[in-house]
Order: sequence, then structure tokens, then C-alpha cells
Amino acid sequence: DIQLTQSPSFLSASVGDRVTITCRASEGISSSFAWYQQRPGKAPELLISASSTLQSGVPSRFSGSGSGTEFTLTISSLQPEDCATYYCQQLYSHPLTFGGGTKVEIK
Amino acid sequence: EVQLLESGGGLVQPGGSLRLSCAASGFTFSNYGVNWVRQAPGKGLEWVSAVNGNGGTTFYADSVKGRFTISRDNSKNTLYLQMNSLRAEDTAVYYCARHTYCSGTRCGHDYWGQGTLVTVSS
Repeated sequence: DIQLTQSPSFLSASVGDRVTITCRASEGISSSFAWYQQRPGKAPELLISASSTLQSGVPSRFSGSGSGTEFTLTISSLQPEDCATYYCQQLYSHPLTFGGGTKVEIK
Repeated sequence: EVQLLESGGGLVQPGGSLRLSCAASGFTFSNYGVNWVRQAPGKGLEWVSAVNGNGGTTFYADSVKGRFTISRDNSKNTLYLQMNSLRAEDTAVYYCARHTYCSGTRCGHDYWGQGTLVTVSS
């Protein structure tokens, strides 16, 4: 099974800060990779598919990059509404797996 | 508008069974693979199972293999998860989620239901 190691597990940053979350796969997964945002009590929402494709309606301050084993999610200017937990996922092979999550808090 | 609506959750004793349903609308259901993803209270997301568009191919997490069965009825636009031999560690919110495809390859789950809570407890 492909393991995903997501870091950090928690981060606290100020409004306007640039924030980066990293996900490392235990083996190469090409670009079969996605990022999700989950607010408390809500279902996850797809932010980025295929490693770097921003979903319709997602603010352009979010971006994704990477291929192979190393992937990043960047929020270029953190906003209050970005308070949430973010998850990475590999869709390269079954069983599909998620990273452990990163909780983002506003200072 | 694409919608996924789960139902069937509830309280069940350890060793018991439950069947979850996910009613889909707003898209051609048979054209898409669909998944079950769960989230234990206060924990992260765990992928559970997937089925392809015609129902002929299924996948399971090791944690549920042999106990859970995924199926679909494309005539009813409905996905199912039959859960047997339930354990306390199966307690979670269960979501159904649709695959999206990029150049023919799975690249994300673009629509999710609101989830249904399964509690396994005596």
C-alpha cells in the first residue's frame, strides 16, 4: 500500500501569510494526487486534482505542485475563511490513501 | 446539480450488520466510479471502498475486506455498502464520493455526500 506522510499536522499563521503543506508518498504516484479542504462538521471539498489543477470556484490563492513522491499545497495569502483541515490523497493505486491531515489556524 | 445523499446510518451492536445507501442525482451515474470514505470522530479521512461504473470491479481497504461489500444499482442511481461483523472501530461518519477523471485517470473525488453516522456500541 502507498503511504502518504503529510506535514505539518498543525500550523498557525497570520492573515496574509504564505502557507505551504507538504505530502510525501512512499513510492512514485505520477500526478494521481488531490488536495481537499474540510471545515468542521462538513464534508471534504476537492481543491486541487491531478496534483495542480485548481477546481472551479476555488480561489486562486490556492495552488498545488509536485509529481512522483513529493507534493505541495500553497496558500499564497492566508484568509480567515481558510481555517480548516487539509488532506492529501493518492489515487494512483488501490487501496487509495489519505494523508493524516493538516489543521490550519489563524493567529 | 450533482447531489449525493447517504442514508442508513445508526446505532448497531458489535457483530451486527447495517446497509448504507447513497442516492445520486444530477449526472449519469453509470459513467462514474464511486467510493465510500469514512471519518472516525475527531480523526482523519479513511478510504473504505470503491466500485467502477458498471459495478464489475470493486476495491476495499484491508480494514474492511471480507466484512463490507460495495455494490451499485445503476437503474436506481444508488450506491450501497453492506457492513457485516461490525466493530467499535467502524464507528464513523460514512461519506459517498464520486470519482473525477483527468485524461481518463482517476484524479480526485469531486462530489461528496453530507455523510451518515454509524455508531457501533453495546
